[in-house]
Amino acid sequence: QKEVEQDPGPLSVPEGAIVSLNCTYSNSAFQYFMWYRQYSRKGPELLMYTYSSGNKEDGRFTAQVDKSSKYISLFIRDSQPSDSATYLCAMIRMNRDDKIIFGKGTRLHILP
Amino acid sequence: DVKVTQSSRYLVKRTGEKVFLECVQDMDHENMFWYRQDPGLGLRLIYFSYDVKMKEKGDIPEGYSVSREKKERFSLILESASTNQTSMYLCASTKRGEYNEQFFGPGTRLTVL
Repeated sequence: QKEVEQDPGPLSVPEGAIVSLNCTYSNSAFQYFMWYRQYSRKGPELLMYTYSSGNKEDGRFTAQVDKSSKYISLFIRDSQPSDSATYLCAMIRMNRDDKIIFGKGTRLHILP
Repeated sequence: DVKVTQSSRYLVKRTGEKVFLECVQDMDHENMFWYRQDPGLGLRLIYFSYDVKMKEKGDIPEGYSVSREKKERFSLILESASTNQTSMYLCASTKRGEYNEQFFGPGTRLTVL
């Protein structure tokens, strides 16, 4: 079983819809969970991170972690064409100096 | 505005050539990383460095070497380029103790013919 699994998409949704992006993982030692956004021909940039379980909200974005199910989600409300990008989940084990493990990314298209 | 810059956006090289990819960060970060990104395979860590002159192998170091002579600069070297090294190469940096917040450069698209 891979450490982190993420559906590559592409996922196409109409503008204004709620988007749900997800990752599953196998290692229960992961404690920090991140979402990176990567626009075409650019490097990834950190969107949000969460420590341990629970929700975190930042504007239209909500990150959710369910450690019991080893499942993390990113919700985008009122999606905009400018949200079209690849979204990569990422996680680290207990020690924050540990190596970051990335998902393969989900390509998202918001249709105007 | 904090920045990670990479020496080239696009590079075309021939099989067997020695290739240098340079990365510079202006954030005084201790840690620097080199990844390659391929469709269907995602980001894979090649090498990282947590201090000047220090280096650690990542998941796919074969065929690559690195150099970190100054804190702000981390170079990736392909000793003898091969076609299977055609890829997008991404450099990243972080503060010590903050591996979760990686700052990435814009990437170098390398094609080996």
